[in-house]
Parts: sequence; C-alpha cells; structure tokens
Amino acid sequence: GIQVEQSPPDLILQEGANSTLRCNFSDSVNNLQWFHQNPWGQLINLFYIPSGTKQNGRLSATTVATERYSLLYISSSQTTDSGVYFCAVKISSGSARQLTFGSGTQLTVLP
Amino acid sequence: DAGITQSPRHKVTETGTPVTLRCHQTENHRYMYWYRQDPGHGLRLIHYSYGVKDTDKGEVSDGYSVSRSKTEDFLLTLESATSSQTSVYFCAISERTDPYNEQFFGPGTRLTVL
Repeated sequence: GIQVEQSPPDLILQEGANSTLRCNFSDSVNNLQWFHQNPWGQLINLFYIPSGTKQNGRLSATTVATERYSLLYISSSQTTDSGVYFCAVKISSGSARQLTFGSGTQLTVLP
Repeated sequence: DAGITQSPRHKVTETGTPVTLRCHQTENHRYMYWYRQDPGHGLRLIHYSYGVKDTDKGEVSDGYSVSRSKTEDFLLTLESATSSQTSVYFCAISERTDPYNEQFFGPGTRLTVL
C-alpha cells in the first residue's frame, strides 16, 4: 500500500517562530488533507489540497503532486497551535476509498 | 463544523462482551467511515459505507462489523471485544464521490477493553 511519511516527528518551538512540516507519499494521490489534532483529541480540518497552494490566516499549504510531497507552513506560532498535525492521502489508482494517514508531527509551542 | 456526533464518548468494557458504537450525522452525506487511532499507527480505516445498506471493509476490519440502515446513522459493532480493540474510534463523513471526498471527523469514542 501507499506509504505516507511525515517529518519531523517532533517539533518544539518558541511562540512567534515559523515552522514547516513535510509529508511525503509513495504513490499518485487524488486527495490530500491536513488535520490538526488538538490536545483534547479533536481532529480539525486544515486544508483539502491534492495540488497547488492554499492559505488560511497564519497557515498555508503547498502540494506538489508530481513530486509526491506536501508542505504545511505555520507562521508566528501560538501556544494554541500545539498538538499533532496529520497528513492523509488517497491513492489515484484502483478502488481504494480510504484515507491513509501519516504518523503525524507532534508540535509543542512554548510561551 | 460538520454535524457529527458519536456515542458513547467513553466506554469501559470487559473482554468477550459485545459493544456497539454509534455515529450520527446531520449533514445528509452519502459516505461514512470508521477509523481507529492507536499510538504509532495514526488513524486506520476499519469499515466504510457508500450508502444505506452499502458497506465495505477497510484496512483493519477483522473483529468488527458495521450496519447502516439510515443515511444519518452508522453503527460499529465489536461482537466479542478483545484487549487489542482498546483504542480511540473516530467516525468520518464525506459528501462527494471519489476523488473529491474531503472527510470530516467526529469527536471520537475512547474504548477500553479490560
């Protein structure tokens, strides 16, 4: 099956710093989503971005489907950004309907 | 926020007992999914539904069954719970057909099997 690798696995930042999270995947995809899982366990949709670039406030994401990676940028980080960030993809070929998740990046933003 | 609720939110049960988790949506979305989340594995798909009475297996379906008799409800049943099924279970929904099926997740159910 498709492999989804996220890096770094852990990231500790001081409040106000910028960061880049990466998601590499091993096959062609037609669906890619970024989620934030907050400390209470809730999964929050950040971006639906199978290709191209999107921005939402301090967050932006870019997916280069031909090179099989996606980047999530967090600028001017805040303590409320802490949690786990997941990338999830769905392959283009076959009938597979599931999203395959990476193992996540654990982000801690210190005050 | 997508209108997705899960019940119960927390459950502790004993090995060998049956357990049913419920996912309820108010969005009238066609597709519904059950995932489990375990440390080191991210989220993995158990079963999904693409319409009333239409379901299929996911990556980790052994020991689980599902039913969908109404658009709004998707039930996950553990016929005889085992300790390996201790996990956090998430329901998800999506509206469109492949491939544009952005998924939205419910709040999760924490299940402990003793």
